Formats: sequence, C-alpha cells, structure tokens
Amino acid sequence: QVQLVESGGGVVQPGRSLRLSCAASGFIFSSYAMHWVRQAPGKGLEWVAAISYDGNNKYYVDSVKGRFTISRDNSKNTLYLQMNSLRAEDTAVYYCARDLIWGQGTMVTVSS
Amino acid sequence: AIQLTQSPSSLSASVGDRVTITCRASQGIGSALAWYQQKPGKAPKVLIYDASSLESGVPSRFSGSGSGTDFTLTISSLQPEDFATYYCQQFNSYPSYSFGQGTKLEIK
Repeated sequence: QVQLVESGGGVVQPGRSLRLSCAASGFIFSSYAMHWVRQAPGKGLEWVAAISYDGNNKYYVDSVKGRFTISRDNSKNTLYLQMNSLRAEDTAVYYCARDLIWGQGTMVTVSS
Repeated sequence: AIQLTQSPSSLSASVGDRVTITCRASQGIGSALAWYQQKPGKAPKVLIYDASSLESGVPSRFSGSGSGTDFTLTISSLQPEDFATYYCQQFNSYPSYSFGQGTKLEIK
C-alpha cells in the first residue's frame, strides 16, 4: 500500500542544520509532486515546501526561504528537507505528504 | 495566497449529537477541498476529498458539502472516537495547499 516514512528528526541547537528524509513506497514516486507540512506543538498545520515530480520546481513558505531546501531522489524514492540556520520557531513535527497521503511525522526540536 | 477560515475554533458536543463545522475560502476554489481528522500524537487522517467524496473506510456519518468559497463537514451522530481536531485543506492553489486553523471537538 502507499506509505510515507519520515526520519531524521531530533534535538538541535539554534543555528545548526538537520536533514529530514521521507521514504516513499507503494506508488510511482517520480510521477507526483511532494510536500513538507509542519505542526508546531499545540498549533495547526502549516505547509512548508513543495517540489515538482521531476525536482525542477521548488516552492517554500516565506518563513523558511533561504534556509530550507527541498529535494528528491527519484531513483531512491526519497524526499528530503535540508534545514539550515534553524530557529526555535522551527520546532515542530514535520510531515511529508503526497496529496491526501501523509507520513507519520518526525519531531524536530530546536533548543539550546 | 488562499486563506481558509474554519468555524468554530472549538466545539463541545455530546455523543449522538449532529455537528457541523464550516470552512470559508478567501476566494473560490471549486470543489478542491479536503477534511482531515487529527488525534493527539497522530498524523492527520483524510475523511473527505473533493469537498463531498467520502474516503474509503471512513464511516458514513461523516459527510461534506459545498463549493466555491463555503464548505461544511457534518457528523450526523457523534461517536466517542470522533472527539478530535478537524482541519480543512484547499487543493486549488498549487503548491501552497493552505489549511484552516482547526476545530477542536470536545466532549460536553
């Protein structure tokens, strides 16, 4: 069945970097745009970034532009989110998503 | 960017009640709207897509309606497992598929 599994979350100090991964299975990964969505503790859902099916087009919410980079490796069926210059306000559960299908999320905590 | 406004933000109801949650878009989105249910510590689960289509495996007490700018999610008879937070999401404006702010449904 269709499955998305995120990994790479953890605790990181402000200003440091972290890379999230999302392993996809059960569908033709290279045919779909993919998204990252986050949810800060006790807050609502926020779209973060998207990438076209072929990786040629990338989009970001204003608050992460210049700090986060979305990418994909269609040969490995994997989506990535490189997060640099992390801030406390980036603390959240990060979900990868394909249309209506979501992974289970990975927690990122930015704290000194 | 399209903004989605849900109401109410929170709601207290009893088992067996009929409940309606609304989602208003800042501009017309056709029928490109989904509803999700989220329980603490879990990922959102899709209930309704294309504004009124019931996702496979979702109980028939859930229904969605609307088009353009105004949408509703109705639960016809609340069950104990329905107490959760509900979100709408629009799929009209790629790539920023924005969300409503959520409606927390609590037990009265």
